[in-house]
Amino acid sequence: SAVISQKPSRDICQRGTSLTIQCQVDSQVTMMFWYRQQPGQSLTLIATANQGSEATYESGFVIDKFPISRPNLTFSTLTVSNMSPEDSSIYLCSAYGAGPNEQFFGPGTRLTVL
Amino acid sequence: AQSVSQHNHHVILSEAASLELGCNYSYGGTVNLFWYVQYPGQHLQLLLKYFSGDPLVKGIKGFEAEFIKSKFSFNLRKPSVQWSDTAEYFCAVNAGDDKIIFGKGTRLHILP
Repeated sequence: SAVISQKPSRDICQRGTSLTIQCQVDSQVTMMFWYRQQPGQSLTLIATANQGSEATYESGFVIDKFPISRPNLTFSTLTVSNMSPEDSSIYLCSAYGAGPNEQFFGPGTRLTVL
Repeated sequence: AQSVSQHNHHVILSEAASLELGCNYSYGGTVNLFWYVQYPGQHLQLLLKYFSGDPLVKGIKGFEAEFIKSKFSFNLRKPSVQWSDTAEYFCAVNAGDDKIIFGKGTRLHILP
């Protein structure tokens, strides 16, 4: 199994600023994912982050708004840029172990934008 | 595109009641199916999964789910719930690519 940690666990930010969320996995993983969970909503996949290549974004999400880094097999960051109150959400990092049958989640970062 | 529907957004039961949470997916090909649970203040964790074989899958904590291909369903069941089952439950599907798509979740509240 993999243990995933995220920093920060929560933050309150002002409109127009940016926040970078860090995700650390305790073992090397091939695929990492970033999800958003808005209040009362499901987990929505933002992007897939593979080491050594650009992230692949889902429909409705763009790199300018959510730049992602994946510098190695244990770490990734998600930046929420030029934030607005609509970006208030929980952001979850996830990783596969051997494949989609073994997906692990971080504890989430609760973001509130004023 | 794949999608997952969970019929119940909020379910309230008394202890010892039987539970069934509905989940339907839309995808015509081979799928892998999952139920995840998120207890209050905790991470998402895998409850059970179906890849192939016996369509009746048993998971942790007495939960089971049945894959009915003809109905595109993967309902979660437990014969007798406990107060500690209070949590949010997510059905999810993987259609052979690298992504897992989640349903909107069902918030289960068990009355002691």
